[in-house]
Amino acid sequence: GAGVSQSPSNKVTEKGKDVELRCDPISGHTALYWYRQSLGQGLEFLIYFQGNSAPDKSGLPSDRFSAERTGGSVSTLTIQRTQQEDSAVYLCASSLNGASRGNEQFFGPGTRLTVL
Amino acid sequence: AQTVTQSQPEMSVQEAETVTLSCTYDTSESNYYLFWYKQPPSRQMILVIRQEAYKQQNATENRFSVNFQKAAKSFSLKISDSQLGDTAMYFCAFNTNAGKSTFGDGTTLTVKP
Repeated sequence: GAGVSQSPSNKVTEKGKDVELRCDPISGHTALYWYRQSLGQGLEFLIYFQGNSAPDKSGLPSDRFSAERTGGSVSTLTIQRTQQEDSAVYLCASSLNGASRGNEQFFGPGTRLTVL
Repeated sequence: AQTVTQSQPEMSVQEAETVTLSCTYDTSESNYYLFWYKQPPSRQMILVIRQEAYKQQNATENRFSVNFQKAAKSFSLKISDSQLGDTAMYFCAFNTNAGKSTFGDGTTLTVKP
């Protein structure tokens, strides 16, 4: 079946503009995660959804970052007033049930964001 | 705070040889899962192997195995008979609280022909 998809694959924007990044999880997966990966670095946890609710928003770096999930499916990560330090690859992952610690996360290909 | 440390930013191995990637972690939780993920140059991350902290037996998946030392909070990955397709960035991660994974900074492995 289809895996996790993300769009756009690449986004170049000017400092101060808003951007929206989209994630389509695997059908039937109730848990969805957003991570940020700076060049050559590890994954920084941003936010986790179980269904449409986000029990853990602790990783969002500032109030310029927000995310929503509708219909228990598609999620959008929005970055307002982008800064150059926001440049990174944004990865989305989904898993069958986020409440189970052992569930594998399936990752999308990521969106590479470049803020000029 | 929960942390994962991968002390080897880069490693290389000759094709067909064995390599071990190290990972240490810190948590006060008693029940958790540990994972190794692989991110090839095309960048889509995939699961390599997982281990439940309560299980003493080390997990094995074909050429991949782990050495889990719970008391030492160590979780190393051994790749036997290395193949060119094993070239990737490898991330160690663990899940404790539902829904949050902590990842290390990764080890870039290059398999040389």
